Amino acid sequence: KQEVTQIPAALSVPEGENLVLNCSFTDSAIYNLQWFRQDPGKGLTSLLLIQSSQREQTSGRLNASLDKSSGRSTLYIAASQPGDSATYLCAATSGTYKYIFGTGTRLKVLA
Amino acid sequence: GAGVSQSPSNKVTEKGKDVELRCDPISGHTALYWYRQSLGQGLEFLIYFQGNSAPDKSGLPSDRFSAERTGGSVSTLTIQRTQQEDSAVYLCASSLGAGRLGQPQHFGDGTRLSIL
Repeated sequence: KQEVTQIPAALSVPEGENLVLNCSFTDSAIYNLQWFRQDPGKGLTSLLLIQSSQREQTSGRLNASLDKSSGRSTLYIAASQPGDSATYLCAATSGTYKYIFGTGTRLKVLA
Repeated sequence: GAGVSQSPSNKVTEKGKDVELRCDPISGHTALYWYRQSLGQGLEFLIYFQGNSAPDKSGLPSDRFSAERTGGSVSTLTIQRTQQEDSAVYLCASSLGAGRLGQPQHFGDGTRLSIL
């Protein structure tokens, strides 16, 4: 049974800092892994999706990596800004459609 | 519309009442998902639709929960005889399709359900 864990649960950093969010999964036979951000009272916004055959994806200041053998994915945020403050969730799918979500990392970027 | 639309955005009801939540997916998206997010918890998968069919209903918490999708578009999630533990945010997502390659899921803003 797939389990997804995110550490840390919360993180505060000063503006401009580079940071890494971690996501671990127990079943390495994943099809893909997706990173989302969630703002308070809102739904999830897709940030990056990494297919199982890929090692990383990049979008602007965001870079997500995937290491299936170790059961880990990281989301790297460069030059953080206050607008990056949100909860970041990762989700892995081992089947064709069912995503298993972590409980998220609540990020606060201080101006 | 451009995104996934859910209604109502907020619903407060008394214990024992039935509620119906609606999801309008992005046009052309064949896959539709319902999740539940309780305070401090991760997203809990409820049900998945491919077209109008629901091949996986395993996440529905009890037989008080049901969902349907018509015309390969709008979906409704119905909760009968609501209980206080049903209080949560119910999120709907859609994607172009499912399958091994996967497609990004696009989420609505959810329905915040409060059972008094």
